[in-house]
Amino acid sequence: DIQMTQSPSSLSAFVGDRVTITCRASQGISNYLAWYQQKPGKVPSLLIYAASTLHSGVPSRFSGSGSGTDFTLTISSLQPEDVATYYCQKYNSAPFTFGPGTKVDIK
Amino acid sequence: QVQLVESGGGVVQPGRSLRLSCAASGFIFSDYFIHWVRQAPGKGLEWVAVISHDGSNKYHADSVEGRFTISRDNSKNTLFLQMNSLTTEDTAIYYCTRPSLEKRLSNELKYWGQGTLVTVSS
Repeated sequence: DIQMTQSPSSLSAFVGDRVTITCRASQGISNYLAWYQQKPGKVPSLLIYAASTLHSGVPSRFSGSGSGTDFTLTISSLQPEDVATYYCQKYNSAPFTFGPGTKVDIK
Repeated sequence: QVQLVESGGGVVQPGRSLRLSCAASGFIFSDYFIHWVRQAPGKGLEWVAVISHDGSNKYHADSVEGRFTISRDNSKNTLFLQMNSLTTEDTAIYYCTRPSLEKRLSNELKYWGQGTLVTVSS
């Protein structure tokens, strides 16, 4: 099975900072990669799909890139409401494995 | 609007069984694959299982293969997860989730229920 890794596991940044999270698949998955945001105590929500397509209603400061095995989620200007854990997920085929998550908070 | 409402969670002893349900509304249930995803307390998301729109294809994570079975009743717009031989490692919130597109296995998870908590403890 394809394994998903994320780095870093956590980060702390200032409001307004540019934040980048990396997700890596152990084998190529084309662009079948989604990013989810889970705010504390809340249900996960879809942020980005097809590696780089922003889900409806998601602020434009979020962006995704990558294909194959290496992917990134970027927050161009971190805001207090972005405090959350971010997960990548492969969905090219079963099993639809999630990455371990990256916890983002504010310095 | 799309709604997914899980039920059936609770406290159960190790080795026992439990059946979760997910009641769907606001869309044509029989047109969509549906997944179960779980999250242990303080831990990350773990994909559990998916079933095709017509119930003919099912996939389960290795961690639950042979113990859990996903099924659906399209006449009742309801998804199920039969969980047998439960262990403490199955303690988690179980979410029912629906992809964006109809009749697509390889698709992102757009809609999530609120989840139901399963606690396996003696």
